[in-house]
This record gives sequence, structure tokens and C-alpha cells, in this order.
Amino acid sequence: DAGITQSPRHKVTETGTPVTLRCHQTENHRYMYWYRQDPGHGLRLIHYSYGVKDTDKGEVSDGYSVSRSKTEDFLLTLESATSSQTSVYFCAISVQGGGRGDTGELFFGEGSRLTVL
Amino acid sequence: GNSVTQMEGPVTLSEEAFLTINCTYTATGYPSLFWYVQYPGEGLQLLLKATKADDKGSNKGFEATYRKETTSFHLEKGSVQVSDSAVYFCALSEGYSTLTFGKGTMLLVSP
Repeated sequence: DAGITQSPRHKVTETGTPVTLRCHQTENHRYMYWYRQDPGHGLRLIHYSYGVKDTDKGEVSDGYSVSRSKTEDFLLTLESATSSQTSVYFCAISVQGGGRGDTGELFFGEGSRLTVL
Repeated sequence: GNSVTQMEGPVTLSEEAFLTINCTYTATGYPSLFWYVQYPGEGLQLLLKATKADDKGSNKGFEATYRKETTSFHLEKGSVQVSDSAVYFCALSEGYSTLTFGKGTMLLVSP
């Protein structure tokens, strides 16, 4: 257990409203990630962070922003939610440090299911 | 760019049957390869991995061999159990832990 907590676990919201999902870790890992999971698409990387205030875009970053003001928290924000952002969102951390030699073992949170009506 | 292709599911088997889930990949360099498993209502967890050609990853009776010549990493298990019912994801990484996942294959095992 890598000590990852996601909140909220379930949320229903309306189109156009802002939404923030939180990922909290207890073990001071440097690299954190946000993925979304959709049927027929597997998991796709939204954004990732390699340290406090250091973030980068992933494959499907449009419509999302992230912030990391503390090592333990990585926030994903949908500024104006759309129905296409209905998905299950997973936070993950790299326990090997996330550098070039990292072989890619990630620990995942339990997911946050977001429904945008 | 990198990509992972795995067989579509669901794969439906009876308990104690042999399992194969095919996975092939496209990568620009020399990736590490992974199988992750997702049980209902849970996040993904690492099942096994291989970091270089000809390596065999194994765990819980599952195994997969990194085949560079065929760019494949097929998952096998000799005798599946009902508790193996889950979604299985093949993935690759070329460092920095930015994984590229396949679309997932659901496995359903009946008693």
C-alpha cells in the first residue's frame, strides 16, 4: 500500500461547473500522475508532476489543469466540466523515483468516478 | 509514437483452463513491459514486468516473456481460477514512468 487517497470517490456534476479532484499521498514520492479510464481506450495520461510546482502535460490534457503546491497533494481541475469528461480518474505514484532509469512500476489509487450531466 | 495493442475481450474461460492474452507493442526505443490487473471496483496493480529482451516476468502463476523479435509480451497462466476474473492491461514505458497502456482485456472465469 503506497498510501494514496483520492477524493471524492464519486461525484455527479453539471456541464459548465468547475470540478477539482484531489490525490493525497503519505510517503513523499516525487512523481505523481493523473490518468483517465474510459471503455475502449484503456488508461490515458492527463498530466503528471515531478515535484512541487513542476508539472507536464500528458496525452489528453486539453480541458484539464493541475497543481502541486505540496509534495503530498496533486490536484486535477476541470475548469468547466463537459460530458466528454465523464470518466473514472486514477491518481498514481512512482515508487522508484520516476527518473529516466525508472522501470515504470506505478501504484494507483482507487479511482474517482465523475459523471457530468 | 508508442502504442500497445492487446486482444479484445471478454475472454471467457472455465476454471483450470489455460489462459493466453496477446499483447504487441510499438516503441521507438527499448521499453520496459508490464502487465497490470484491475479487479472490480479497484485501481490497477502491477502483476508482472520485464525490463529487457528475453526477460520473463512472473507472479501468482502468470508469466510473460519479452520478445523483441516479435514485439510481443503475451500473458499466460496454466490454470485459471475464478478469482483471476479481472481486467488485464498491457503497458510499456521508456522511462520517467510515463506508461502507455493497451485498452484492456476482461477475463471472466466460471466455476
